[in-house]
Amino acid sequence: RKEVEQDPGPFNVPEGATVAFNCTYSNSASQSFFWYRQDCRKEPKLLMSVYSSGNEDGRFTAQLNRASQYISLLIRDSKLSDSATYLCVVKKDTDKLIFGTGTRLQVFP
Amino acid sequence: GAGVSQSPSNKVTEKGKDVELRCDPISGHTALYWYRQSLGQGLEFLIYFQGNSAPDKSGLPSDRFSAERTGGSVSTLTIQRTQQEDSAVYLCASSPPGAETQYFGPGTRLLVL
Repeated sequence: RKEVEQDPGPFNVPEGATVAFNCTYSNSASQSFFWYRQDCRKEPKLLMSVYSSGNEDGRFTAQLNRASQYISLLIRDSKLSDSATYLCVVKKDTDKLIFGTGTRLQVFP
Repeated sequence: GAGVSQSPSNKVTEKGKDVELRCDPISGHTALYWYRQSLGQGLEFLIYFQGNSAPDKSGLPSDRFSAERTGGSVSTLTIQRTQQEDSAVYLCASSPPGAETQYFGPGTRLLVL
């Protein structure tokens, strides 16, 4: 079983839609959680950290459920520019980040 | 300011040859990471440096892979006797002291023929 699992998608949604991605992780000792975004043939970039209480950054909301070892990302009012692959990332007690394989989002006009 | 830079951006080599990939982290970043990403796959952790030492080499796929970092800055990843399955994008990332965010370079696309 992979340490971080994501639905690969693709999720094809129209502009303005709300879309949610989920991610599960296997190691209960995981300490920190992130969502990274990777555009086609580009490097990953941090989108947002995920905090236990949930956090929001504009149209993006991240949630963490430690009991279920589950992380989510909600995107409201999708834009064409949101089209990318969204990587769920988990950090354990070392500085090593464990990346999921990503969920691909395609927003169409 | 300058981000993480990697060179070369693309490398085509023949099976059996050695290659060296270079990473220049952001100035002042103490932690440096190497990953590789095969086509359509997620990022695979290779090795991590804190300063010049490598506390975690667990991801290196075989003894053909090695990495070093000198002066707490530049790092080189060396792949000896390359194989076709080594073809991938090799990504380097760095982090400032005490921070968790990793800043990625643009990667080196390696193709082994």
